[in-house]
Amino acid sequence: NAGVTQTPKFQVLKTGQSMTLQCAQDMNHNSMYWYRQDPGMGLRLIYYSASEGTTDKGEVPNGYNVSRLNKREFSLRLESAAPSQTSVYFCASSEGGARNYGYTFGSGTRLTVV
Amino acid sequence: SQQGEEDPQALSIQEGENATMNCSYKTSINNLQWYRQNSGRGLVHLILIRSNEREKHSGRLRVTLDTSKKSSSLLITASRAADTASYFCATDAETAGNMLTFGGGTRLMVKP
Repeated sequence: NAGVTQTPKFQVLKTGQSMTLQCAQDMNHNSMYWYRQDPGMGLRLIYYSASEGTTDKGEVPNGYNVSRLNKREFSLRLESAAPSQTSVYFCASSEGGARNYGYTFGSGTRLTVV
Repeated sequence: SQQGEEDPQALSIQEGENATMNCSYKTSINNLQWYRQNSGRGLVHLILIRSNEREKHSGRLRVTLDTSKKSSSLLITASRAADTASYFCATDAETAGNMLTFGGGTRLMVKP
């Protein structure tokens, strides 16, 4: 099925461990995004990539890094996980920016940091 | 910071009734979008309404936009149990660099 694929779906980390969340889309979209969703907070943008080869910080980038590996893939890395990073992480993509396009979301990665 | 704020935070109705959710935002926008999220799943794009549009329809969905009041509403007519989900508004603010900012969502429960 066409869409946005995220791996893993669930992950438990110990404080200080590192991990990379993977995201791939097969819709030939230019723009990709990483959001985190916390109860009562809606979704907050961590990083985005407007096009292949570019990445920019969003609202809450501290503690994260990203890589736009190619047009299909956009990964999110936690170098030293903290309990405050316990959240559900969503990757999304769009053909262009929000001015003209809706986003397609993956099914999420539920991360717990203990 | 959240640009959009949904109201109510939670809504419970009977199947067949209409459901209305509201979204207020703070700054001028280019467009406003509505998304649905079923429990444990990602968000699904429902509809996009531009700042120069006042009303838009898609199936049983009706979205209105009042830029003078900085508010939007999503109406779901003849609701079904399958409409049970959280609904989010998201704005493309003129100052947000072509990014979407999401509100906190309305949790809708439709009882059969």
